[in-house]
Amino acid sequence: EPEVTQTPSHQVTQMGQEVILRCVPISNHLYFYWYRQILGQKVEFLVSFYNNEISEKSEIFDDQFSVERPDGSNFTLKIRSTKLEDSAMYFCASSDLGNEKLFFGSGTQLSVL
Amino acid sequence: AQSVTQPDIHITVSEGASLELRCNYSYGATPYLFWYVQSPGQGLQLLLKYFSGDTLVQGIKGFEAEFKRSQSSFNLRKPSVHWSDAAEYFCAVGALLTGNQFYFGTGTSLTVIP
Repeated sequence: EPEVTQTPSHQVTQMGQEVILRCVPISNHLYFYWYRQILGQKVEFLVSFYNNEISEKSEIFDDQFSVERPDGSNFTLKIRSTKLEDSAMYFCASSDLGNEKLFFGSGTQLSVL
Repeated sequence: AQSVTQPDIHITVSEGASLELRCNYSYGATPYLFWYVQSPGQGLQLLLKYFSGDTLVQGIKGFEAEFKRSQSSFNLRKPSVHWSDAAEYFCAVGALLTGNQFYFGTGTSLTVIP
């Protein structure tokens, strides 16, 4: 079965630094998402992306966050100036028909020190 | 407001016993309902989904779930649990519109004892 690939699997950074989390969605998919899961809490929606623009974002996705599809295969999440509370597992997902089936990556564990 | 509630934070069952994980939702539109499983260090894997039609849906790994509109529930069941089923299980609800977000429950951690 095709899969969504995320790199790196673990990222450690200092507070205030910029991080970029990378995702390679499934090749024929059109909708892309970022979710995050703080340890012990629920999976939270961050943003959805379609046709090279954000289609929906949550209140978590403030000005410190941005997403980009720099080429035909990658989908990135940038956190401009990380805070301690950004420490979480970040999941990328993609789908070909919107919500019909989301394929999730295995996640990037971000630790902000 | 849209929300998903999984009342059981942690469940322990014996291998071979039956399992039911509870999920209740609150959603203003016609919901799509999903169950995902997350094994340690892994991403979220779709177990099954409900869109419409037969309210009892079959999924992978022998799981099934029943949609009960009157109770706003979508409980996950398995008649005989295997040790490999130990994982975190998430119920989620989504909209019919494309690109919209899913709302996840807080998850139920399943431990299987021999």
